[in-house]
Amino acid sequence: AQTVTQSQPEMSVQEAETVTLSCTYDTSENNYYLFWYKQPPSRQMILVIRQEAYKQQNATENRFSVNFQKAAKSFSLKISDSQLGDTAMYFCAFMNHHYNTDKLIFGTGTRLQVFP
Amino acid sequence: EAQVTQNPRYLITVTGKKLTVTCSQNMNHEYMSWYRQDPGLGLRQIYYSMNVEVTDKGDVPEGYKVSRKEKRNFPLILESPSPNQTSLYFCASSPYPPDQPQHFGDGTRLSIL
Repeated sequence: AQTVTQSQPEMSVQEAETVTLSCTYDTSENNYYLFWYKQPPSRQMILVIRQEAYKQQNATENRFSVNFQKAAKSFSLKISDSQLGDTAMYFCAFMNHHYNTDKLIFGTGTRLQVFP
Repeated sequence: EAQVTQNPRYLITVTGKKLTVTCSQNMNHEYMSWYRQDPGLGLRQIYYSMNVEVTDKGDVPEGYKVSRKEKRNFPLILESPSPNQTSLYFCASSPYPPDQPQHFGDGTRLSIL
């Protein structure tokens, strides 16, 4: 079965510092997609970043970047120059589009607190 | 404005009283999905639909029903709600195949007494 594991239930970081959230997954497939979603206190789900497994280059979106290690099945999120608005729950998610299954599997989340 | 609309946003009800949470999207997306969010468990997929009249079970389908009669609508039905279905529910949509980011609704907080 495919699983997504986020081993850090909570993390904190000081404003302007860098923090890394970890995510590992388990799959026997070769082609899949990985996502990081952010859920601020407003409870909206907002896409942070997306990675295609067949692309070796790590995805980057402004202050957000990933370290994608396919062999290790690891997909960590790095937030640089942390801002107070980054305070949120962060969910890692895995999608494997297969001919008979299109499930999106989420990890349990990491609650990030950014302190002034 | 592109959006996924869920109703109601909040609902308190009693065990056994049938309820429906509606979900509508205006982006002509083929893929729609329902999730429940519980503390410590993250989001878990309940049901998903690849297109009109095509639905499939997610990881936690027990106690729920869905239908997809029109492309834009994907209601979630609880025929006989129980307290263990108290949760935060999200509807989402995306183009098919769903390797693109999901567009989420604002969530429905459901409390079953």
